[in-house]
Amino acid sequence: AQTVTQSQPEMSVQEAETVTLSCTYDTSENNYYLFWYKQPPSRQMILVIRQEAYKQQNATENRFSVNFQKAAKSFSLKISDSQLGDTAMYFCAFMKHGSGNTGKLIFGQGTTLQVKP
Amino acid sequence: EAGVVQSPRYKIIEKKQPVAFWCNPISGHNTLYWYLQNLGQGPELLIRYENEEAVDDSQLPKDRFSAERLKGVDSTLKIQPAELGDSAVYLCASSLRGSYNEQFFGPGTRLTVL
Repeated sequence: AQTVTQSQPEMSVQEAETVTLSCTYDTSENNYYLFWYKQPPSRQMILVIRQEAYKQQNATENRFSVNFQKAAKSFSLKISDSQLGDTAMYFCAFMKHGSGNTGKLIFGQGTTLQVKP
Repeated sequence: EAGVVQSPRYKIIEKKQPVAFWCNPISGHNTLYWYLQNLGQGPELLIRYENEEAVDDSQLPKDRFSAERLKGVDSTLKIQPAELGDSAVYLCASSLRGSYNEQFFGPGTRLTVL
């Protein structure tokens, strides 16, 4: 069974600074996807960034980038130039790829990020 | 483009009462998901539909939970009877066919069972 662990329940960062959220996962699969989702206080979950395990290049979306270490099963999210609107709960998630994939996202426990003015 | 719509946003009921949640996915999205999110936790998949067929309901507690997706569009999740431990947020998500496609989430229904 796959598991996703986020060891930082809460983080804070000053506006315009950079912050890194940690995520580790456990799987015996070789093909999978990893995601970071953002859930603001309004509760609507939004996809921030996605990484395919077969790609060595780290995904980047504007101010958001990941550090994907497949051997270490680590998938951290870096937010550069933090903005007040980045305040939210962030979830790391795993999805198996290939035959037998049910589209099931397996989420970590979440990290609450507070961006301070 | 309208997002995933859920109603009600909030529901408070007494234990042993029935409750139902409704979800309208993004137009054209064949795949629909129901997730359970306990306070301070990540969501957990309850059931996934491809059109009107439930293709993964292994996590759905079938003694009290049921779901349907008539005509392959809107979906309803029901709990009967509700228990105190069912207090949580129930999230609906949808995606295009193919589980690798991005899942778009609704705002959720926060259920409180007294």
